[in-house]
Amino acid sequence: RKEVEQDPGPFNVPEGATVAFNCTYSNSASQSFFWYRQDCRKEPKLLMSVYSSGNEDGRFTAQLNRASQYISLLIRDSKLSDSATYLCVVNADSGGGADGLTFGKGTHLIIQP
Amino acid sequence: ETGVTQTPRHLVMGMTNKKSLKCEQHLGHNAMYWYKQSAKKPLELMFVYSLEERVENNSVPSRFSPECPNSSHLFLHLHTLQPEDSALYLCASSLMVAGGLTDTQYFGPGTRLTVL
Repeated sequence: RKEVEQDPGPFNVPEGATVAFNCTYSNSASQSFFWYRQDCRKEPKLLMSVYSSGNEDGRFTAQLNRASQYISLLIRDSKLSDSATYLCVVNADSGGGADGLTFGKGTHLIIQP
Repeated sequence: ETGVTQTPRHLVMGMTNKKSLKCEQHLGHNAMYWYKQSAKKPLELMFVYSLEERVENNSVPSRFSPECPNSSHLFLHLHTLQPEDSALYLCASSLMVAGGLTDTQYFGPGTRLTVL
């Protein structure tokens, strides 16, 4: 059974602080990993893909640990506009057939002034 | 703007009504998806269409009927829904890559459905 687990939060973090959260996945055959951001009453939007070597995009760093089956997201120098729900998304290769993505429930982040 | 549009944005319907949700993508993608997002639950994949053929149906009740007339359009036909079907219905599209893995998905704004 495909599962993606996240701490729902909320994480209350002061502006300018660094915040990190993890996501674990149960399907060891998973091939692709993503972090999506969803603002209140809006659709999810891709924040960044997660590569085996880890990747950084400005203040955001994503890392993948295949051995422990988790991915992480680090946000440095947090801004008020970073307040949102962050969705961990995992895609398992279904052996050639089309497959959708498995979403976690999301981690709610609140940046406080 | 994501390049994926959905209409209507809000829909209120009775349990005996028949309605349809529409999704259109302008990104040149070849795979489209319907998701259901309920409060405090993760997004649930409902249907996947790849190259206009349905390739996944995650045990969705028959009162939901998808239709994909071409690679740019996706419909979700609704009939005799239940109050527990009230949710945000999101359409997404992506470009299928080699090996069957989906690439990045782009979501529409969703239709917020209320069933009375």
